[in-house]
Parts: sequence; C-alpha cells; structure tokens
Amino acid sequence: EAQVTQNPRYLITVTGKKLTVTCSQNMNHEYMSWYRQDPGLGLRQIYYSMNVEVTDKGDVPEGYKVSRKEKRNFPLILESPSPNQTSLYFCASSSSAGGNSNQPQHFGDGTRLSIL
Amino acid sequence: AQTVTQSQPEMSVQEAETVTLSCTYDTSESDYYLFWYKQPPSRQMILVIRQEAYKQQNATENRFSVNFQKAAKSFSLKISDSQLGDAAMYFCAYLKTSYDKVIFGPGTSLSVIP
Repeated sequence: EAQVTQNPRYLITVTGKKLTVTCSQNMNHEYMSWYRQDPGLGLRQIYYSMNVEVTDKGDVPEGYKVSRKEKRNFPLILESPSPNQTSLYFCASSSSAGGNSNQPQHFGDGTRLSIL
Repeated sequence: AQTVTQSQPEMSVQEAETVTLSCTYDTSESDYYLFWYKQPPSRQMILVIRQEAYKQQNATENRFSVNFQKAAKSFSLKISDSQLGDAAMYFCAYLKTSYDKVIFGPGTSLSVIP
C-alpha cells in the first residue's frame, strides 16, 4: 500500500530538548516536503526536497532542519524546540511538487507537537 | 511573493444542495498549478481537484468542479449534491512549477446540515 509514514503521531516535550520527527515514503517519490498547520494560517511549507541531497527552504524554515540522505526518508529536526513550534506537522511526497492527476501528493497522517 | 486567499473562514450547506468555496491568488507567473485539498476531522489531507493554468477547460471530478478565471486570479470550488461526508476543512493551494514550494490558503471550514 502506498503511504507516507510519520512518527511519532503525538509528542509533548519541553523547550530546548532536541527532537526528530521521521517521515518515510514507499512510492519512490522524488519530491518530499514538510508543512506545519496552524489555525487561521492553513499549511505553511517548512522545507522541501527535490531529490536526495537536495533541500530548499519553504516559507517558515527558521528553527528547523531537514536532511535527505536516502530517497525514502526525510526527517524533520528541531534542534532547540520552542513553544512557538507547537503545531500540527505534515510530511508529504509526490513524483513532483504538484503531482499529477494519477499521482497526487500523498500526505502522512500528521504529528501533533506540543512544546512546553 | 505569491499569496493565496480564502475569504470565507466558515460556510454551511444543506445536504443535497450546491455550495461554492472561493479562492483568489496573486502571482505574476503565466503557468502554474492550483489545487483544492480536503481535510476531514481525521486530519488526512486529500487532493480533491487539480487545475493547470495553461488549460482553459475547468477541471471536474465527479461532484466537484472548479471555476478557473485566470485573468481575475480566481479559483472557486463547486460542490454539487452535498453529502454529510463533504464536511471538512478545504484548502486552496498554488504551485509555480513542478519543483517549487506549495502555498496554501488559510482554509474554509464547511459544515453540511442534514
């Protein structure tokens, strides 16, 4: 089954404690991205990657890091989390950024992060 | 910078009726992609419909259709014969090229009244 898997689904942690949210896709997609969703703001792109070892900043990259060492994995790293990073996070993948009629972007189920 | 606006934070529709959700965007590009995504309470993000700017014909997917007005930079979603399962948050999104960042609007929460 084609899927994007994010872990963990929920996490409550404290300010300054490094954390990593993993994302893995099994569709051999080139394009992967991370979004955060906040009420009234929709989804904002944090980082995206067009292929292995190629990453680029989205609209809200501050405070986040990513890596793309393998095609299937695209972890999101918060080196020193702060309360303003409390949000719902989505990972997505597709054959290209917009996908196509047959292969749209596939989203993970989301990760709810709470930074105290 | 490109922006996407959804001016209706909340909307409601009677079951079996038709509803239109609005979306406007700002861009200086001539070729781009536009999308509508649905997010039900389960939080899943589901692609509803996709439109390529160079195509004049409006996209249609079953009960979902769009009214794409390129000159006006408007991309509204029409849901016909609304069903209870259509209740969700709907996001409009813009993409400049195949390998670029996607810009989402703030969303419209749609309620369906039985």
